[in-house]
Formats: sequence, C-alpha cells, structure tokens
Amino acid sequence: DTGVSQNPRHKITKRGQNVTFRCDPISEHNRLYWYRQTLGQGPEFLTYFQNEAQLEKSRLLSDRFSAERPKGSFSTLEIQRTEQGDSAMYLCASSFGTATYEQYFGPGTRLTVT
Amino acid sequence: QKEVEQDPGPLSVPEGAIVSLNCTYSNSAFQYFMWYRQYSRKGPELLMYTYSSGNKEDGRFTAQVDKSSKYISLFIRDSQPSDSATYLCALESGAGSYQLTFGKGTKLSVIP
Repeated sequence: DTGVSQNPRHKITKRGQNVTFRCDPISEHNRLYWYRQTLGQGPEFLTYFQNEAQLEKSRLLSDRFSAERPKGSFSTLEIQRTEQGDSAMYLCASSFGTATYEQYFGPGTRLTVT
Repeated sequence: QKEVEQDPGPLSVPEGAIVSLNCTYSNSAFQYFMWYRQYSRKGPELLMYTYSSGNKEDGRFTAQVDKSSKYISLFIRDSQPSDSATYLCALESGAGSYQLTFGKGTKLSVIP
C-alpha cells in the first residue's frame, strides 16, 4: 500500500488551456474525493465518487470542471478553458467502506495558470 | 459566519512546550471531528479522528471535543521541531454528505 498518488505534481499552463489531473487512490478504497486548496485556506470540497458513481458535487465545481472515475479505480479531474483563479493545489483523497470521515490525502497537484 | 473557525496563527513555541490548537463550529450536524497535519507543499496527513465528546489520546496527541460548546481542540505534549507544520481541523456531518469541512489551519513553529 503506497498511499494515494497524484500526477502530475506540478502543472503550469496558460489561460484558456485545458488541463487534466490523475488520482490513484489507495487500493480497495471505494470512495474518492477531490478538494481544492488555495494559499492560506483549508481544502474545499469539489466532488465525491463511490466506486464509479459521482454522488456529490460542490457549487465550486463550475461547468468548466469535470471529473470521472471509470471502473471505480483511478480518477481524473479536467479543467477546461483555465482561468487565473483556478490556480490552486488540487488534492485527492480516498476512504474505505463506511469510514467516510477517515480520508487519506495524496500529495496534490499544484496548478499555476499564467 | 463560516461553518468552521480556526485561528491561522502563526503560533511559535519552544521545544518541549504543550501546544493547544482549537476550532469552533456553528453547525450542530457535525458528528465526526478530525485533525490533519500538513507540511509545506504537501498533502494533509490524518492525525486523529473522534466522534464523541470527550478526550482521545494517541501518543503525544490528545483530541478533545465539546459538542455542547461546539469546540474542538488538539493538544500536543512535548512538542518537537518536527511538529512544525500547519494543523487543520476537519468536520463531517455523516448524514449522507461525506465532504469534509476544513478550518483555515493554524501554522505552528516549534523552536529548538
């Protein structure tokens, strides 16, 4: 068990470009979460998957954002037409079974939009 | 009023001191209370979780919850320079919504 992994760790993109991040949860963890963290703030919830089903979305997840978890394994988060306000750390977490409060985070992907 | 309030600090203490970190919350629906540690430019690391009022101890760390006052604390005994990090409280209602609601985090420095 190597923990939650995220790729890439850093991404610099120009405004208007699309970006995609990948998250590999801890094996056998059926629940997967995406959060966004800006400087000086705690993580803010974006969306949640139970297996392959996306069950919860935050109002922060505008229509430029889309997330998938095909086959209930890894997940991708895509941001279309990036804006400077999208610059943040994007964190993925996973949990097992009913212990939804016990979420384990990955190292994050730091996005910079220039 | 934000759902979870946490003093961002910074908090600076000498090595060996007892550290007290606190959060208050407004929504009585929160049932699960977690503390995370986050080193600079890293992901949050789960330290402890609890779901009832009272104390829970794990090594040098003690989590305390007072649901009647909507107040949670983390105590660190015999603080070490390696404890220098940002500490985040996180709460979950457990009522069909599995998102964690975080405080802003308190930045702690333990000075040798």
